[in-house]
Amino acid sequence: GAVVSQHPSRVICKSGTSVKIECRSLDFQATTMFWYRQFPKQSLMLMATSNEGSKATYEQGVEKDKFLINHASLTLSTLTVTSAHPEDSSFYICSGGRNMNEQFFGPGTRLTVL
Amino acid sequence: QKEVEQNSGPLSVPEGAIASLNCTYSDRVSQSFFWYRQYSGKSPELIMSIYSNGDKEDGRFTAQLNKASQYVSLLIRDSQPSDSATYLCAVNMKGWDTGNQFYFGTGTSLTVIP
Repeated sequence: GAVVSQHPSRVICKSGTSVKIECRSLDFQATTMFWYRQFPKQSLMLMATSNEGSKATYEQGVEKDKFLINHASLTLSTLTVTSAHPEDSSFYICSGGRNMNEQFFGPGTRLTVL
Repeated sequence: QKEVEQNSGPLSVPEGAIASLNCTYSDRVSQSFFWYRQYSGKSPELIMSIYSNGDKEDGRFTAQLNKASQYVSLLIRDSQPSDSATYLCAVNMKGWDTGNQFYFGTGTSLTVIP
């Protein structure tokens, strides 16, 4: 299957700082990638759809000015959590696929905001 | 109305038994169906995909799809303690207003008792 990587795998930051998470497709090109958030013992929640070369599409209730998504190339999408607060602490996961019939997940990034 | 529904469980089965996981989806033009396994603290990994009605077998796993009844199930034969995880059902649907999008169920927690 296709490989998706994420970096960093774990980050701890102070409240008010910004954190950037990278999602890379290693062996395929992804026109579309997805960003999810998962709180402990809860299901995946789709945050936004990242589209290469255009603006991301955000799900209802997700602040686009707080969660900045950039999909500058067919192999890289980034999520920046701006002015992070403790309630933003979560497991952030990206996914991508060679086509819309497949989605492979990155290993996830665990964000802890102190 | 939720797009994809699963029984959250927990589902417990003894080692060696058959675990049966079920998923129903809303009435849209659904194209592709997936089962993911997620261990605690990890991102989901793809187990099975199924696109047409009937059964699809892969090792100890069998996916069953019934589009008329709008359900997809996953059977795990000879269950092992290592199968203990949360199983996510995902459906790739194309709505008139959203285009292709993956919808995830909330997951079913499975525990295989040694």
